[in-house]
Amino acid sequence: DAKTTQPTSMDCAEGRAANLPCNHSTISGNEYVYWYRQIHSQGPQYIIHGLKNNETNEMASLIITEDRKSSTLILPHATLRDTAVYYCIVRVQSYQKVTFGTGTKLQVIP
Amino acid sequence: ETGVTQTPRHLVMGMTNKKSLKCEQHLGHNAMYWYKQSAKKPLELMFVYNFKEQTENNSVPSRFSPECPNSSHLFLHLHTLQPEDSALYLCASSQDTSGAYNEQFFGPGTRLTVL
Repeated sequence: DAKTTQPTSMDCAEGRAANLPCNHSTISGNEYVYWYRQIHSQGPQYIIHGLKNNETNEMASLIITEDRKSSTLILPHATLRDTAVYYCIVRVQSYQKVTFGTGTKLQVIP
Repeated sequence: ETGVTQTPRHLVMGMTNKKSLKCEQHLGHNAMYWYKQSAKKPLELMFVYNFKEQTENNSVPSRFSPECPNSSHLFLHLHTLQPEDSALYLCASSQDTSGAYNEQFFGPGTRLTVL
């Protein structure tokens, strides 16, 4: 699986959009971009994933650059409950070898 | 509520004890996983089961023994653990390997402390 690079931490004001970047310059053509988050003392929670096209669901939007070397997770209106560590993962469809990095600790500030 | 439950949520055990962690998924998935999350470290994949067959053992010491009696249940049997095994143990499940939607659904974890 390709390696990802994320900022260690970010702050976001409550009600504003949170934009979390992820670099995956070595991504291969059959690897998807997945985002999970982990709220303190809970298990990770799946957010969204995509291959080439931008994706949106009820939780977030995923913007993938045309060259697929980076992506951005957007939480359109951050709330205090969105404070968590966000993990960007790139992997093939196979269920094995899902490698979580250290993620970005997002702090939503009142 | 993700549809994956784990019991117990907290466990304190001595190094000579034998205990088991239980995971149950109500999602109709066929793949189940054990992860370990130590303080300030990334999640580490321990074991993978697909259709009750173990398909991945990520160099885990033998004092951790997994068991998957059916696709809905996964156990992690613990014996003669060390204090450094204290961690959050997470169970997850997903569909099998066919298709693109293999996102993993995690349980809340068992916080294990080894004295």
